[in-house]
Amino acid sequence: NAGVTQTPKFRILKIGQSMTLQCAQDMNHNYMYWYRQDPGMGLKLIYYSVGAGITDKGEVPNGYNVSRSTTEDFPLRLELAAPSQTSVYFCASSYSIRNTEAFFGQGTRLTVV
Amino acid sequence: TQLLEQSPQFLSIQEGENLTVYCNSSSVFSSLQWYRQEPGEGPVLLVTVVTGGEVKKLKRLTFQFGDARKDSSLHITAAQPGDTGLYLCAGAKAGNMLTFGGGTRLMVKP
Repeated sequence: NAGVTQTPKFRILKIGQSMTLQCAQDMNHNYMYWYRQDPGMGLKLIYYSVGAGITDKGEVPNGYNVSRSTTEDFPLRLELAAPSQTSVYFCASSYSIRNTEAFFGQGTRLTVV
Repeated sequence: TQLLEQSPQFLSIQEGENLTVYCNSSSVFSSLQWYRQEPGEGPVLLVTVVTGGEVKKLKRLTFQFGDARKDSSLHITAAQPGDTGLYLCAGAKAGNMLTFGGGTRLMVKP
């Protein structure tokens, strides 16, 4: 059982470069989320999706974009990387928003230099 | 400003001690979850509380949801080194956002 799979696990970007963080889940979950976690801190919601074709901003969406063309995939795009985007990024999914467990990927550690 | 405030942020205790971690908000949540995160891993769900005043026990861990569904606590009895980790509370808000508190980093020394 794969669960939530994130790629890549590690990446170093130069300022101004672009990249896409991939996230896929095989649990047929409607809800998917992207969070960032700075060292020693909690998780801040970047974007979320309640189903294919539907996305919405979270607490810290600036500098990021998402799309949800299928139930399984929820990629996160960084267009012009900045040092402030150095963080660990977690993708998660859940069947619904209420009373159910959110399953997390193992994270992508991104460094922008 | 975090929607969910956790306290304390850091806690270092000796094996065998008891501790309580708090998760507070001015907002009402339909449910509240507690997760534990190990280094290099994503958070893993410990428990979900749904009803105001609800108490759930998971071995030495006791979770309580406030009567008004705005706050929650996690109490650990006789802490063990294996309890070391980052404890996160998370609440579901209107608009389908699952938001997390800032976390409590617990270290239990042998």
